[in-house]
Amino acid sequence: NAGVTQTPKFQVLKTGQSMTLQCAQDMNHNSMYWYRQDPGMGLRLIYYSASEGTTDKGEVPNGYNVSRLNKREFSLRLESAAPSQTSVYFCASSARQGNGANVLTFGAGSRLTVL
Amino acid sequence: GENVEQHPSTLSVQEGDSAVIKCTYSDSASNYFPWYKQELGKRPQLIIDIRSNVGEKKDQRIAVTLNKTAKHFSLHITETQPEDSAVYFCAASMGGGADGLTFGKGTHLIIQP
Repeated sequence: NAGVTQTPKFQVLKTGQSMTLQCAQDMNHNSMYWYRQDPGMGLRLIYYSASEGTTDKGEVPNGYNVSRLNKREFSLRLESAAPSQTSVYFCASSARQGNGANVLTFGAGSRLTVL
Repeated sequence: GENVEQHPSTLSVQEGDSAVIKCTYSDSASNYFPWYKQELGKRPQLIIDIRSNVGEKKDQRIAVTLNKTAKHFSLHITETQPEDSAVYFCAASMGGGADGLTFGKGTHLIIQP
């Protein structure tokens, strides 16, 4: 049981290049999320998918696109990378607990540097 | 949208002492308040959470309190140990978190030997 797996772990891009971060979960969770983490800024939600076939913008969606490929996979795409997108990206998934809460399980993170 | 403020940004305590981290939230409709711990270079992991129908919750050395009227909640760690050193994030959401959590900016807790 791997939990949430995201790739790649590290990536260096030049300004204007594109790339896709991949995320997969094997816990049969309905909801999936992409966050970015910057020093002193905490974790900020980029996009989320409450269920297969739906996606919604979070707090900082500009410059990103997402695809919920199936229940397991949720990818994040940078079409034209900018230095401001240098960050650590975390994918997460969740399922509603018995008490109604959605507990997020995070992937190991992907460190992206845009030069 | 929701806004979560977290204080302090850095907290240094002697091993064995208690640590308290405080958060305030802006949206009175928020009803779910988890706390995540992130060790250096690792992923955030849930350590405790509380729903809005509960005022306090404890789990061994950690506890969370919630004041809905004042819209603030706090994390209390007693008898701190070296392994408690980490960054702690509070968060808030409506609907139990299905549409994502709004996180505070984090508190770096340092346990001094």
